[in-house]
Amino acid sequence: QSVLTQPPSASGTPGQRVTISCSGGSSNIGSNSVNWFQQFPGTAPKLLIHRSNQWPSGVPDRFSGSKSGTSASLAISGLQSEDEADYYCATWDDSLNGPVFGGGTKLTVL
Amino acid sequence: QVQLQESGPGLVKTSETLSLTCTVSGLFISHGYFWDWIRQSPGKGLEWIGSIYHSGTTYYNPYFKSRVTMSVDTSKNQFSLRLNSVTAADTAVYYCVREAGRGHTYGWDLDYWGQGTLVTVS
Repeated sequence: QSVLTQPPSASGTPGQRVTISCSGGSSNIGSNSVNWFQQFPGTAPKLLIHRSNQWPSGVPDRFSGSKSGTSASLAISGLQSEDEADYYCATWDDSLNGPVFGGGTKLTVL
Repeated sequence: QVQLQESGPGLVKTSETLSLTCTVSGLFISHGYFWDWIRQSPGKGLEWIGSIYHSGTTYYNPYFKSRVTMSVDTSKNQFSLRLNSVTAADTAVYYCVREAGRGHTYGWDLDYWGQGTLVTVS
């Protein structure tokens, strides 16, 4: 059972806009920035969004992050087949004094 | 170019100790930052094992605390993980990762990842 809650799956068609949610609490998302990671099968996760809404170098701006209260979202616009991957949210938890992950969302491009 | 590379046995016997080393290139561990171990069991999500600072200060996931030891060797630009009394439940891909920052501003910012190494416990 992950501290952060993500839907196990999401889907969309090419060109569509898809959002993935990440729900937490006051001690984690409510207090700290959220990071998003993209993982393709057999490869290491890659930082996709950091500090809730900023892009690391090389990440296309089709990916965007937002945060409100104790929830965060990753939005992917202009969905492409190569976006099919697993997506994880993560942040720091002040009560646990440690990091926490979401359980991951498998994105399928139909 | 920054690279993190995990190394160690791919097969460990039940009840023995899993030992992995992460060799960092393109960055100096001695310059700061936290360095983490994260694992992913087959078909499962990501699980934080622990963090070590360049000074040697460690922070462990309470779930592993009684079994885990992390260390750092700045002269070799490496950090290491030891997990003892392993069982089949410890079979996973183990990643070494650099933390760019943590807390209010950064959340948990993991910017550089190793490719991961599969460790099977049997």
